[in-house]
Amino acid sequence: KAGVTQTPRYLIKTRGQQVTLSCSPISGHRSVSWYQQTPGQGLQFLFEYFSETQRNKGNFPGRFSGRQFSNSRSEMNVSTLELGDSALYLCASSLDAGGSEAFFGQGTRLTVV
Amino acid sequence: DQQVKQNSPSLSVQEGRISILNCDYTNSMFDYFLWYKKYPAEGPTFLISISSIKDKNEDGRFTVFLNKSAKHLSLHIVPSQPGDSAVYFCAARWEYGNKLVFGAGTILRVKS
Repeated sequence: KAGVTQTPRYLIKTRGQQVTLSCSPISGHRSVSWYQQTPGQGLQFLFEYFSETQRNKGNFPGRFSGRQFSNSRSEMNVSTLELGDSALYLCASSLDAGGSEAFFGQGTRLTVV
Repeated sequence: DQQVKQNSPSLSVQEGRISILNCDYTNSMFDYFLWYKKYPAEGPTFLISISSIKDKNEDGRFTVFLNKSAKHLSLHIVPSQPGDSAVYFCAARWEYGNKLVFGAGTILRVKS
């Protein structure tokens, strides 16, 4: 069974640009969550999607958005990139709406220059 | 406001001995707790979890203890192996949904 797949693995963007990251959850999993990891802030929750609906949202500005498709794949978008957005972005896949473990992908390393 | 705290940034243990990683939380709405292990530039790997209705869960070399009255949990690794060297994150989940709140992590070094 394939794990959580995130693409791309590495990305370099310049300030002001926008970026889209992709996540394919484990087959059969319907919940996808996104996290940002930075050295100073640790792992911070961005948002969670279940059945194409956003169920939870973290304390991030509106420049961060996401969506989930009918096949449970998810994308997150960051617009008007800032230097502080440089981080490892992690996607987590869970089987259902609650009560199950979250399995993480390897992440996308975003560098904003 | 750090709701999940791992107060020890690092821990060094001799191979074969016990590693004890600690985690404290402040929010009584958390109903499920998880431990993850992470290597640099990789995603966290799920290790073990515990529901708030239990006080202990064991899986091989890993045991998690939960003390609800103290809002404290710990991960015991026995015996510790050099391959256990990594960053360990404690995470807590709300009653509803899959949002996880993570601690800052503890770097474990197991010396051979």
